[in-house]
Amino acid sequence: KAGVTQTPRYLIKTRGQQVTLSCSPISGHRSVSWYQQTPGQGLQFLFEYFSETQRNKGNFPGRFSGRQFSNSRSEMNVSTLELGDSALYLCASSGSGTGGNYGYTFGSGTRLTVV
Amino acid sequence: DQQVKQNSPSLSVQEGRISILNCDYTNSMFDYFLWYKKYPAEGPTFLISISSIKDKNEDGRFTVFLNKSAKHLSLHIVPSQPGDSAVYFCAARGGGSGNTGKLIFGQGTTLQVKP
Repeated sequence: KAGVTQTPRYLIKTRGQQVTLSCSPISGHRSVSWYQQTPGQGLQFLFEYFSETQRNKGNFPGRFSGRQFSNSRSEMNVSTLELGDSALYLCASSGSGTGGNYGYTFGSGTRLTVV
Repeated sequence: DQQVKQNSPSLSVQEGRISILNCDYTNSMFDYFLWYKKYPAEGPTFLISISSIKDKNEDGRFTVFLNKSAKHLSLHIVPSQPGDSAVYFCAARGGGSGNTGKLIFGQGTTLQVKP
């Protein structure tokens, strides 16, 4: 069974640009969550989508947005990039609507560097 | 406001001995706690979880203990192996239907198992 696939793996963007990251969950999984990992802040929750609806949102500015398609694939978008947006962006998928008592499966992440 | 804390940034143990990783939390509404293992440039890998209504869960070499009165959980790895060397994250899931996809992570503890 294929895991969670994130594309691209690496990305370099210039300040002020926008970026779109993609996440394909495990087949059958309907929940996709996004996280940002930085050395200073650790792993922080961005948002979660379930059945194409945003179900939960973290404390990030409106420049960070996302969506989920009918096939459960999800994208996140960051507009007007800042240097501080440089991070590893991770998505996780879950099979149950409530996540169950098993762990969320993470992808390998997209390493975004803003210059 | 850091709701999940791992106060030890690093831990070093000898192969074959027990590794004990600790985690404290402040929010009594968390309904599940999870432990993840992470290598650099990869996504976290789920290890083990525990429901807030349990006090112990065991899976092979990994055991998680939950002390709700102290708002403390720990991960025991017995026996420790060099391949266990990685960063370990404690995570908590918010209770209630609105927080099922949201995990709050600790800052991580780097475990080194020496041969």
